[in-house]
Formats: sequence, structure tokens, C-alpha cells
Amino acid sequence: DVKVTQSSRYLVKRTGEKVFLECVQDMDHENMFWYRQDPGLGLRLIYFSYDVKMKEKGDIPEGYSVSREKKERFSLILESASTNQTSMYLCASSLYGQEGKTQYFGPGTRLLVL
Amino acid sequence: EDQVTQSPEALRLQEGESSSLNCSYTVSGLRGLFWYRQDPGKGPEFLFTLYSAGEEKEKERLKATLTKKESFLHITAPKPEDSATYLCAVQAYTGNQFYFGTGTSLTVIP
Repeated sequence: DVKVTQSSRYLVKRTGEKVFLECVQDMDHENMFWYRQDPGLGLRLIYFSYDVKMKEKGDIPEGYSVSREKKERFSLILESASTNQTSMYLCASSLYGQEGKTQYFGPGTRLLVL
Repeated sequence: EDQVTQSPEALRLQEGESSSLNCSYTVSGLRGLFWYRQDPGKGPEFLFTLYSAGEEKEKERLKATLTKKESFLHITAPKPEDSATYLCAVQAYTGNQFYFGTGTSLTVIP
């Protein structure tokens, strides 16, 4: 079974703090993704990575950065947390292929910024 | 612009009352269409992948179908444990991104 794990299920942080969210997958997937999910807005892509040290901006990258030093690990960094970054954060991974490859999701991290 | 629209936003069914969820998409070359189930507070759980018009996939009470412009998730004789939000996503040939709909929240009443 594919397994995607996220470092925390719940986090509470203060405005201005630097926040690290970690994601690890165990299926040797090339692609990894970070989304945020908010009521009524669905899943919005923040960043994705198709290889080690490679990254591409998604739809809402402002206020976030990412790091992928190893194939299995993809980190999301909130440089200076703000209240509008309170959300559910979801990590996903997939194989690369000409044919669409399924994304597998982690359990999510619910972040509250006070 | 690639996009995905799901309808209805919410659906309440009596146990045993069959129905369908719709996912309409606009994409420049479909690489794949994906259905997920999401329970409250959890990550989406993969259900089906469809690649070409006419394709169908089944799993227990769920059946997914695909045309050139939309996909349906048919739920036959649903049970309360089928209550969840169902998400649809597409991936285009251009790029690695997935585009998600906002989901259909299904409630099955005993």
C-alpha cells in the first residue's frame, strides 16, 4: 500500500512564526504536491515538485516556500505565518507518466495561526 | 483554461435510494480523471481513475463513467457509511498539475 505521512495532524502557531510542514512518501514517487483546502474553495495547489531539488509554483504560492532534498520528502515552509494561512494542508504524491497517474494523499495537517 | 465543476454541491439520500454525482471538465487533452472520497478531517482516499471516453470502473456500490466532457459517479443502494465528500480531479497532458472540483457532500440517511 502507498503511504504518505505528514509530520503533524494539528498545529497551533503564532502570527509571524516560521512553520515547517513535512511530508514523506514510501513509494518512490517522482511527483509530490502541497495543497491547502478551505471550505467552499476546494483543494488549491501551493507548490509541486517533479524531482529532487526541482519545484514549480502552483496557484497560490505567495507566503510559502518548499524544499525537496530527498526524493521521499517534501517540506512546506510558511516563512512568516499569518492568520489567513489557517487551513487544512494536504500533501500528495504520484508517479510520473504519460498516462495520468493517481495522486495519493496524506492524512492532512490542520494549522491554526493565532 | 482547465477547470472542473461538480454538481450538486450537496446531496441527501435515503438509504437504498440510488443517485448520481456529476463532474464536468474542460481540459486541453485529458491525461486522466480521478475520483476520491474524503471523510471529515481526513485526506482524500483514491477511488477510481478513468482515461478515455466510454470507460467505466466499479467498486462495491460505486460506478464511475466517463464521456468527453463529464464523468458520473453512480451510487447504487447507498448505505449511511457512504456519507462523505466526493472529489473529482483531472490531469491534463500539459504539465503535471491536477485540477480539483469543490466536491459533492453526500449524506445517506438511515
